[in-house]
Amino acid sequence: NAGVTQTPKFRILKIGQSMTLQCTQDMNHNYMYWYRQDPGMGLKLIYYSVGAGITDKGEVPNGYNVSRSTTEDFPLRLELAAPSQTSVYFCASNKQAGYYGYTFGSGTRLTVV
Amino acid sequence: TQLLEQSPQFLSIQEGENLTVYCNSSSVFSSLQWYRQEPGEGPVLLVTVVTGGEVKKLKRLTFQFGDARKDSSLHITAAQPGDTGLYLCAGELIKAAGNKLTFGGGTRVLVKP
Repeated sequence: NAGVTQTPKFRILKIGQSMTLQCTQDMNHNYMYWYRQDPGMGLKLIYYSVGAGITDKGEVPNGYNVSRSTTEDFPLRLELAAPSQTSVYFCASNKQAGYYGYTFGSGTRLTVV
Repeated sequence: TQLLEQSPQFLSIQEGENLTVYCNSSSVFSSLQWYRQEPGEGPVLLVTVVTGGEVKKLKRLTFQFGDARKDSSLHITAAQPGDTGLYLCAGELIKAAGNKLTFGGGTRVLVKP
């Protein structure tokens, strides 16, 4: 089982550039999430989705956009990269209720210079 | 100020010693989860607790959920170098939309041989 797959694993962007972080899961989970993790810190929620066609903002959505056209895919878009977006980004999925833990991808390390 | 405060932030112990990590909040959670994260990887679920006062054991790890469901602890007995990692607690607030988890800042544990 692949679980949650994120690509790319590493990326360096220049200020003002754009990119899409890809996330796909093969577990037929309805719930998907994007978190960012800054050095030495916990995870902060950027966006989440409860199903195809439905997305909502999390704690730190500014500078990001998402879409959920299929159950499997939940890409995260950075339109105008800024140094403050340097972080490690994790995508996660969840079966249904909170009792079932999240399954995380292995992360994308993004540096904006 | 984080909704979930973890302490200590860093813990360095010798193999065979015991350790306890705390996760505290002024908010009530419907469930609380503990994850372990290793460098370059996403967090991996260790346990979910849902009932106030609940105690769960996973080999040498003991997890407790506070009676009021506002706090939790993780106790490791006879720690081994393989227990080294970042431990994260995460709670689902009551009536949180989308089963969103709020993460603590993490406790970095180093077990020296």
